Amino acid sequence: IAGITQAPTSQILAAGRRMTLRCTQDMRHNAMYWYRQDLGLGLRLIHYSNTAGTTGKGEVPDGYSVSRANTDDFPLTLASAVPSQTSVYFCASGSGGDREQFFGPGTRLTVL
Amino acid sequence: EDQVTQSPEALRLQEGESSSLNCSYTVSGLRGLFWYRQDPGKGPEFLFTLYSAGEEKEKERLKATLTKKESFLHITAPKPEDSATYLCAVPNQAGTALIFGKGTTLSVSS
Repeated sequence: IAGITQAPTSQILAAGRRMTLRCTQDMRHNAMYWYRQDLGLGLRLIHYSNTAGTTGKGEVPDGYSVSRANTDDFPLTLASAVPSQTSVYFCASGSGGDREQFFGPGTRLTVL
Repeated sequence: EDQVTQSPEALRLQEGESSSLNCSYTVSGLRGLFWYRQDPGKGPEFLFTLYSAGEEKEKERLKATLTKKESFLHITAPKPEDSATYLCAVPNQAGTALIFGKGTTLSVSS
């Protein structure tokens, strides 16, 4: 593979359930990011990781957690899903800092 | 507060009708401006990076330019396959992420 993969492609989830969105990159980028994209609100950063072993909060982190055990993987977990977390989620990676980011194909999540 | 504003929100063009999209930003000490293309149901695709006022980048029918206050994405003689949402973004002050505009949705009809 070349680039970023995300799984699942789409998911319908009952409120209160736990869900992990997976993200893997093979570009050996140090930095990885999770965004959500909502109509009228654009792309908003949830969490980021500048390098393996470190994570940070973005603009809308509440209800989400991340981990970065290695360079390639950056899973996003919703501990107890709520309907307001219905969105399209994009994972991205890059060299970090002020450099461009490269995006995965996205996961469309619906919480009922 | 760092902000990125794109205009217009939507633009309809006839094939061959050139136009420009605008991205204005308010950040202290610009450290780069990025343009992306997003097709429906897909992730944003990186197009260009601009770092300093006066810089220009070109790719096929697209040319991006940068001033101290804004960037333009010029589309020359567009084709229907240029239809997409175009996003611009700048790094936040901490350098931890990109701040995105809400995009311009371009529709080109034949």
